[in-house]
Amino acid sequence: NAGVTQTPKFRILKIGQSMTLQCTQDMNHNYMYWYRQDPGMGLKLIYYSVGAGITDKGEVPNGYNVSRSTTEDFPLRLELAAPSQTSVYFCASSYSSAEQYFGPGTRLTVT
Amino acid sequence: GQNIDQPTEMTATEGAIVQINCTYQTSGFNGLFWYQQHAGEAPTFLSYNVLDGLEEKGRFSSFLSRSKGYSYLLLKELQMKDSASYLCAVRDNNDMRFGAGTRLTVKP
Repeated sequence: NAGVTQTPKFRILKIGQSMTLQCTQDMNHNYMYWYRQDPGMGLKLIYYSVGAGITDKGEVPNGYNVSRSTTEDFPLRLELAAPSQTSVYFCASSYSSAEQYFGPGTRLTVT
Repeated sequence: GQNIDQPTEMTATEGAIVQINCTYQTSGFNGLFWYQQHAGEAPTFLSYNVLDGLEEKGRFSSFLSRSKGYSYLLLKELQMKDSASYLCAVRDNNDMRFGAGTRLTVKP
């Protein structure tokens, strides 16, 4: 099993551009999550999903959108990128409320 | 809302024992997790508590008191590779909240 995979690993965006961060898991987990982590800080939950077709906002959803059309995929969309969205983004999955498995992260810089 | 507090930094000696505390406030407690995160890497799961008491897993143990909103992670026989950040996380129904992490430095 590959676990949780994320693409791209690194990306530089200009202010106002859009992009989609991809996340895929092959563990048949029903729950999936998107977090951002700023330097020296803990993870902040952006959005989560408890199953295909169901998504909910986390602590910091503004400026982001998600969709969950399949169990495996949970893409995160950034519209109109802003410097405040410079961060490391982690995707994670879990079987219900059990422990989460994290992807390797995407390092995003908005300039 | 939720507040999750843990010390910012700790230092310990190789072979020693260290305890990392975490206090939290939550409206719908549904489990407490500890994760380890090495610099530049993703977090990895260490332990999970949903009932009061101690959970032991090799060199790592975690304790929970729901009435006090308190947990600790105990690391025994410290090794240099244990130098990392340790993240306390609380599940509030399906929402997950993380503390800022405790950066542990293990010295020879």
